[in-house]
Amino acid sequence: QLQLQESGPGLVKPSETLSLTCTVSGGTMTSEDDYWLWIRQPPGKGLEWIGSVFYGGTTHYKPSLKSRITMSLDPTKNHFSLNLDSVTAADTAVYYCATTDDSGSGLIWGRGTTVTVSS
Amino acid sequence: EIVLTQSPATLSLSPGERATLSCRASPSISRYLAWFQLKPGQAPRLLIYDTSKRATGTPDRFSGSGSGTDFTLTISSVEPEDFAFYYCQVRENWPPEVTFGPGTKVDLK
Repeated sequence: QLQLQESGPGLVKPSETLSLTCTVSGGTMTSEDDYWLWIRQPPGKGLEWIGSVFYGGTTHYKPSLKSRITMSLDPTKNHFSLNLDSVTAADTAVYYCATTDDSGSGLIWGRGTTVTVSS
Repeated sequence: EIVLTQSPATLSLSPGERATLSCRASPSISRYLAWFQLKPGQAPRLLIYDTSKRATGTPDRFSGSGSGTDFTLTISSVEPEDFAFYYCQVRENWPPEVTFGPGTKVDLK
C-alpha cells in the first residue's frame, strides 16, 4: 500500500523560500503514467492544486504560481519536493502531497503539513 | 477549465439519517469523478472513484452516481464517524491537474 508523508518547516519568514519534501513508501515512483502533486488548503478556504511532476521530470504548475514554484522528483530517494519562493502570508496553508492511483479519478494523499508564513 | 460546485455547503443531520450531497460540473465532463472525505489532522480518504466505485475499505452505506454535469454522493444512514467534510474532484491526464469542489460539511444536528 503506497503511503506518502510530507516534511518540512512549519514556519517560514515572509520573502523566504518554502521547501517541502514528500517521502513515498510502499511502492516506487517509476511509472510514466502517474504524476505526483502538491495541493494546499489555506485556512478557511478550499483545496487548491498547485503543481504536478512526472517521473521523467516534466512539470506543470498553476499559472498564478508559475514564477515562484519549482517541483522535482528523485526516484532513487523515493521522494519529491516543492520549493515556493518569495512567500507571503497568503501562502499560509496545509500542504498535501498526493499521487494518482490506478483508477481514472482517484488520488493517494499524505496527511498534510501546516506551513505558516510569519515573521 | 472545469468548475465544480457542491451543495449544500452544510448538511446538518442526526445519526441514522440519509445524506445526499450534490456536485455539479461545468462544463459537462466525460471523465470520471471522485469523492473523498476530509477530517482535520487526517489524510484525505478516497471514498468513491470513477463516479460510482467504492474505494477499498469504503463502507457500503456510501454510494456515488451521476454523469455529465450532475453527480451525487449518498450516505444511506449516517454514522457518527461520518461527520466530516466531503469533496468532489476531477483528475485530468493532460494537463496533469486536479480540480476540487468547494466541499460540503456534514455535521451533527
